[in-house]
Amino acid sequence: LQLQESGPGLVKPSETLSLSCSVSGGSISRSSYYWGWIRQPPGKGLEWIANIFYTGSTYYNPSLKSRLTISVDTSKNQFSLNLRSVAAADTAVYYCASHGPPMESFFDHWGQGALVIVSS
Amino acid sequence: EIVMTQFPATLSVSPGERATLSCRASQSVNRHLAWYQQKPGQAPRLLIYDASTRATGVPARFSGSGSGTEFTLTISSLQSEDFVVYYCQQYDWPPRYTFGQGTKLEI
Repeated sequence: LQLQESGPGLVKPSETLSLSCSVSGGSISRSSYYWGWIRQPPGKGLEWIANIFYTGSTYYNPSLKSRLTISVDTSKNQFSLNLRSVAAADTAVYYCASHGPPMESFFDHWGQGALVIVSS
Repeated sequence: EIVMTQFPATLSVSPGERATLSCRASQSVNRHLAWYQQKPGQAPRLLIYDASTRATGVPARFSGSGSGTEFTLTISSLQSEDFVVYYCQQYDWPPRYTFGQGTKLEI
């Protein structure tokens, strides 16, 4: 299973950050697999952002929930992230990742990461 | 939110020695604890899940232990490529996943 992030590397403050993750080597409709986003500001630690199941069930980090939308497109075998009203603090490497069913939800597949800089 | 605290932030050891990294959860996560290794410029790599199970392809010198709120990652006989950053993550359900702030292993 391979995951690959794509999207703009530069976003202006107050605009919307949009990223997609293409999945290859397996179906995004794979039973019991969940798809998610994790970010890492430069030189800092990891922060879980959101998860989605192929049926459309979503789970959000409460601290970001008001600005987030995660969606899945099974026909394209990809899932996407929208983060609204971005600020400099949203500058980070954004990783897409996947994990198994509940209680086995450790991230065992990761994309290479996409650096997104928020700046005017 | 379950807060994960890793200590120490930086651990200085010598190649060939043993390293013990700690991770504490602010409330019990049972054994729903994973360890990741992150090399510079790379995505994290899963090392350990369910507190003590090595992921596929992970060398036997990596071992995990603990349950509840206290967890340990031990690396026996350190190799040069092991001197990077390690993160713990709790994965209780429903998802409110949180990571520790990381431990940097340095020579």
